Amino acid sequence: QVQLQQSGPGLIKPSQTLSLTCAISGDSVSNNNAAWNWIRQSPSRGLEWLGRTYYKSKWYYEYAVSVKGRVTVKPDTSTNQFSLQLNSVTPEDTAVYYCVRHGGTYFDHWGQGTPVTVSS
Amino acid sequence: SYDLTQPPSVSVSPGQTATITCSGYKLGDTYVSWYQQKPGQPPLSVIYQNNMRPSGIPGRFSGSISGNTATLTISGTQVVDEADYYCQAWDIYIVGYVFGTGTKVTVL
Repeated sequence: QVQLQQSGPGLIKPSQTLSLTCAISGDSVSNNNAAWNWIRQSPSRGLEWLGRTYYKSKWYYEYAVSVKGRVTVKPDTSTNQFSLQLNSVTPEDTAVYYCVRHGGTYFDHWGQGTPVTVSS
Repeated sequence: SYDLTQPPSVSVSPGQTATITCSGYKLGDTYVSWYQQKPGQPPLSVIYQNNMRPSGIPGRFSGSISGNTATLTISGTQVVDEADYYCQAWDIYIVGYVFGTGTKVTVL
């Protein structure tokens, strides 16, 4: 079965870059029928989709308007992982971050979640 | 873009029916999914494509949509159904996913 294992720091300083990685088992990041997403959740902003990547003959990338220009979602086919980079973080970026597979119809597999705090 | 508005809370007695609404401009132009989230866990889909149930989800969960309002119905609500529920849709105008504001279902 599909499993997503997240890794990355839980504490980061303002203005730095947040980097998280999601290791995929039971599926391939190059699966033509899936998309690989990052979603975060905080009390103030609720559930917020950040971006996704997917492969259909070539790689596609789509990002939320709220973080466009600061966010990158990147696949790594050599390690079967995908990553999130969020630049210039502020305390408003404090949240639980999830990597999530969308299997074509709904978000069907979620990582365990990484609580991230932005604080000096 | 558009916001998906849900009631903050719904209370229901065991065995009764819980109804959660989700309203959004042009919501009828896209598919709606519903997610259940219990404390300390990631969300779990209970309805997709407006009214389809993922494998393993009990039949007491059902979904519908009329105009720009989607509805999640839990018939014969059980104590284990106590959780936060979120609607979710694809916003074709901004090319991105949006989530509802969330509804806390209390079974008492």
